[in-house]
Amino acid sequence: DAGVTQSPTHLIKTRGQQVTLRCSPISGHKSVSWYQQVLGQGPQFIFQYYEKEERGRGNFPDRFSARQFPNYSSELNVNALLLGDSALYLCASSPRFQGGQTQYFGPGTRLLVL
Amino acid sequence: AQTVTQSQPEMSVQEAETVTLSCTYDTSESDYYLFWYKQPPSRQMILVIRQEAYKQQNATENRFSVNFQKAAKSFSLKISDSQLGDAAMYFCAYIWSSGGGADGLTFGKGTHLIIQP
Repeated sequence: DAGVTQSPTHLIKTRGQQVTLRCSPISGHKSVSWYQQVLGQGPQFIFQYYEKEERGRGNFPDRFSARQFPNYSSELNVNALLLGDSALYLCASSPRFQGGQTQYFGPGTRLLVL
Repeated sequence: AQTVTQSQPEMSVQEAETVTLSCTYDTSESDYYLFWYKQPPSRQMILVIRQEAYKQQNATENRFSVNFQKAAKSFSLKISDSQLGDAAMYFCAYIWSSGGGADGLTFGKGTHLIIQP
């Protein structure tokens, strides 16, 4: 079975631009979460989506938004990019919306903002 | 807010020996889950082991086992018979069960594990 996939793998943008990152969950998984991992730190929670609805949001500005599609894939959008948005963006999927569900991570998208 | 602390930024162990990685957490909840994830240089986060807080029995997965001390809010990972492939960043993570996962996983800062051949 295919794991969580993310695209693109790497991305370079300039300050002020907008970026869209994509994630496809494991087949059968209905919940997708997004995390930001700055170099040298643990991942930080951005969003969780389940059945196309936002179920949780971390402490990130409104420049960050996401959505989930009927096939349970998801997009993360970041507007007005700042240098500090440079990070590895991880997507994780889980079967259902429950705290104890194991989250399975994708390989990530490396975003560099110049 | 929940916090997860990994006090060892880096650990080194000889191949075939045993190493223990420390993790403490702070929460006012009684029902939660704890995880250890491994992140090798390829950057893919891989689940190592999962522990339900309501279970007193410590979780084990082959060479990996945990020492879960709920009262002390401690969750250490023991790796036995260390192998070169175990070299990676190890992250301890917490999630509140009753919240439905809406708060996401809270991660520690990680411990860099080096395996000496």
